Amino acid sequence: DIQMTQSPSSVSASVGDRVTITCRASQGISSSLAWYQQKPGKAPKLLIYSASSLQSGVPSRFSGSASGTDFTLTINALQPEDFATYFCQQANSFPLTFGGGTKVDIK
Amino acid sequence: EVQLLQSGGGLVQPGGSLRLSCAASGFTLSSYAMTWVRQAPGKGLEWVSVIGSDGGSIHYADSVKGRFIISRDTSKNTLYLQMNSLRAEDTALYYCAKYHPYNSPSRIFDYWGQGTLVTVSS
Repeated sequence: DIQMTQSPSSVSASVGDRVTITCRASQGISSSLAWYQQKPGKAPKLLIYSASSLQSGVPSRFSGSASGTDFTLTINALQPEDFATYFCQQANSFPLTFGGGTKVDIK
Repeated sequence: EVQLLQSGGGLVQPGGSLRLSCAASGFTLSSYAMTWVRQAPGKGLEWVSVIGSDGGSIHYADSVKGRFIISRDTSKNTLYLQMNSLRAEDTALYYCAKYHPYNSPSRIFDYWGQGTLVTVSS
């Protein structure tokens, strides 16, 4: 199974900050990676697919990048509605696996 | 508008069975692969099962293999998860989700149901 190691597990930030979240895959997954945002009591929401493609309707302050087996989600100019938990997911092979999550909370 | 409306969760004793439903609207189930993902209370996301757009190409997580069965009824445009021999560790919020169409197969989920809670306890 492909393990997805996500870091940090939590980050405190202020409105306007830039936040960076990283996922490392235990083996190569090409660009088969997605990022999701989840707010309390809600289903996950797709932000980024294919490592760097912005899902329709998602603000452009969200971006994704990849370097080998390392994947990064960047949130520029954090907005109040961005305080949530973020998960990565590898889509390369079964079983599909998620990172452990990163909670972004208010500093 | 794409919508996934879930039902069927509840409290069940260990060893019992439960069937979850996921009624799709705004798209045709037979055109997309569909999946189930679960989330134990306060925990992360765990992929459970997938069924291909052709009704085949079925896969399960090892943790549910042999106990859970994914299926669909295209006439009702509804996805199901039959859960048998339930264990305490199956307690979770279960989500159905639709595959993103950007690639085939994408294995990435662009629309999610609202979730349904399954509690396994005596």
